[in-house]
Amino acid sequence: NAGVTQTPKFRVLKTGQSMTLLCAQDMNHEYMYWYRQDPGMGLRLIHYSVGEGTTAKGEVPDGYNVSRLKKQNFLLGLESAAPSQTSVYFCASISGTGTFQETQYFGPGTRLLVL
Amino acid sequence: AQTVTQSQPEMSVQEAETVTLSCTYDTSESNYYLFWYKQPPSRQMILVIRQEAYKQQNATENRFSVNFQKAAKSFSLKISDSQLGDTAMYFCAFSHPLMNYGGSQGNLIFGKGTKLSVKP
Repeated sequence: NAGVTQTPKFRVLKTGQSMTLLCAQDMNHEYMYWYRQDPGMGLRLIHYSVGEGTTAKGEVPDGYNVSRLKKQNFLLGLESAAPSQTSVYFCASISGTGTFQETQYFGPGTRLLVL
Repeated sequence: AQTVTQSQPEMSVQEAETVTLSCTYDTSESNYYLFWYKQPPSRQMILVIRQEAYKQQNATENRFSVNFQKAAKSFSLKISDSQLGDTAMYFCAFSHPLMNYGGSQGNLIFGKGTKLSVKP
């Protein structure tokens, strides 16, 4: 099992450009999350999904959109990138059932630089 | 407000010695889960240890153990026999049980982290 994977690993954007970050998990997990990590900070929740076809806003959703058309994939979109969105983005998932159902499994992160 | 406070931005310890990282949190719920995550320079988030709030017994995982004080809302991490590979950022976090809380479903609330350096 690959666990949670993220694409791309690193990206440089110019202000105003758009892009999509892809998160994929092969553990059949119901719940998926997008976080951002800024220097000197812990991770903050952007958006999350409690199942295929569902999405909801987290703590810092402005400037981002998400979609979960397939259970294994959770996409994070930036329609018009801004320098304030320079950050490291982490995807995570949890099973939602069984033992350790609340334990989050993280992807390796995507470093995004917006110039 | 749900918050996690890690009062030690940086710590250092000599190899083979013991170090304790502090964490306090605030939630009005009685049932929740507590976690310590390690983030080495590779940036990967690695689960170190977890604790269910309804369990009085402190969790242990090899050289890692916690001191969970529910009344004080304190959740410290003890690392015994520190190794060079323990050098990393350590994040304390908690989450509420799924479908048992009106807010976000299962997401983690993180502290700002403690940077631990293990010196040879």
